Amino acid sequence: AQKVTQAQTEISVVEKEDVTLDCVYETRDTTYYLFWYKQPPSGELVFLIRRNSFDEQNEISGRYSWNFQKSTSSFNFTITASQVVDSAVYFCALVPSGTYKYIFGTGTRLKVLA
Amino acid sequence: DSGVTQTPKHLITATGQRVTLRCSPRSGDLSVYWYQQSLDQGLQFLIQYYNGEERAKGNILERFSAQQFPDLHSELNLSSLELGDSALYFCASSAMGHEADTQYFGPGTRLTVL
Repeated sequence: AQKVTQAQTEISVVEKEDVTLDCVYETRDTTYYLFWYKQPPSGELVFLIRRNSFDEQNEISGRYSWNFQKSTSSFNFTITASQVVDSAVYFCALVPSGTYKYIFGTGTRLKVLA
Repeated sequence: DSGVTQTPKHLITATGQRVTLRCSPRSGDLSVYWYQQSLDQGLQFLIQYYNGEERAKGNILERFSAQQFPDLHSELNLSSLELGDSALYFCASSAMGHEADTQYFGPGTRLTVL
């Protein structure tokens, strides 16, 4: 089965706290792609990052960082020094190679309180 | 602004009716995707087109159909509407329709079936 699990339905943090959003995926394919998208209150999904299954390098982009671990089938997302503007629903998605289909997790709603 | 446009923004209709949702991809993108986002089902991939041809099908009901026209815009037709079809319908586009492509999402059409 191919599946993405985001076990955290909702997380609330106070501004400037660090927060990690978990993503666990299931696939039998050896080649696949993982994505994170942000859905702010405006509703439009915004691309954050893409990672392919052969690239386990962690990535940092400003306050955002991603930890990809094939051994645990996880692709976690950390926001450092969170800000109110980070408040959104964050989706993790899996695309097994050759399928062209995004399999989204159920999303994690992040609330950053001032 | 992703460059993907969707019309209309909101649609209210009655059960049994038929509606058409329209999507214009980003300039230069050849592939279009349709997704349904509802509270109970989350984000579900419906269908993908590449340069006018259907490429992948997801959880699309038989009452729903789509097409991509020569100018690359796409329409999603929903017929015999039921209350459960109420959802946010997103269109996304990508350059070549490859699974590694980043998909850019439009603002969505909110459909309410009464």
